[in-house]
Amino acid sequence: EDQVTQSPEALRLQEGESSSLNCSYTVSGLRGLFWYRQDPGKGPEFLFTLYSAGEEKEKERLKATLTKKESFLHITAPKPEDSATYLCAVQQKRGGKLIFGQGTELSVKP
Amino acid sequence: GAGVSQSPSNKVTEKGKDVELRCDPISGHTALYWYRQSLGQGLEFLIYFQGNSAPDKSGLPSDRFSAERTGGSVSTLTIQRTQQEDSAVYLCASSLVGEFIYEQYFGPGTRLTVT
Repeated sequence: EDQVTQSPEALRLQEGESSSLNCSYTVSGLRGLFWYRQDPGKGPEFLFTLYSAGEEKEKERLKATLTKKESFLHITAPKPEDSATYLCAVQQKRGGKLIFGQGTELSVKP
Repeated sequence: GAGVSQSPSNKVTEKGKDVELRCDPISGHTALYWYRQSLGQGLEFLIYFQGNSAPDKSGLPSDRFSAERTGGSVSTLTIQRTQQEDSAVYLCASSLVGEFIYEQYFGPGTRLTVT
């Protein structure tokens, strides 16, 4: 069964304290792995798509990496505005629906 | 440009009533998706429309749930005889479709509360 597991469920950081979020996945043929950010009361906002093991993508303080079994979202020197829930999702090779993890709720304190 | 829009933003209904939720996708996006996000739960896939193909209804939790997409654009998700367990945020997303991998863009959601 296709499955996505994110850890930790919640992460509290001080401003400037770098860390990583983990996304482990099991999927019958990976088409792509997606990272989204979700603020309270809003829909998920697209961050990255990763296609193959070894791939990395960066955007401001965020860097996403992918292996054959997991993905990491590295946050370097986070700021309070980075506080949000970060969602990981996979799409099967045949396309269509995304299978989401439960998310990691990140809180960055000044 | 305009993103995905959904209406209403909030809906409170009594148990047993029917509700309709609307989604306007990004212009030109041929794929449209409905997901549900319950308190403490991840996003759960409901249904997927792509062009003129038969929709993927594999995520609909019961036959009380149905959806249609008219003219390849606007979509309506209908929940009949609502139950308290239907309370959730219903999210719509749209994307391009093709040989490349396209990200899904989400609307703000409709928060449904069944009393």
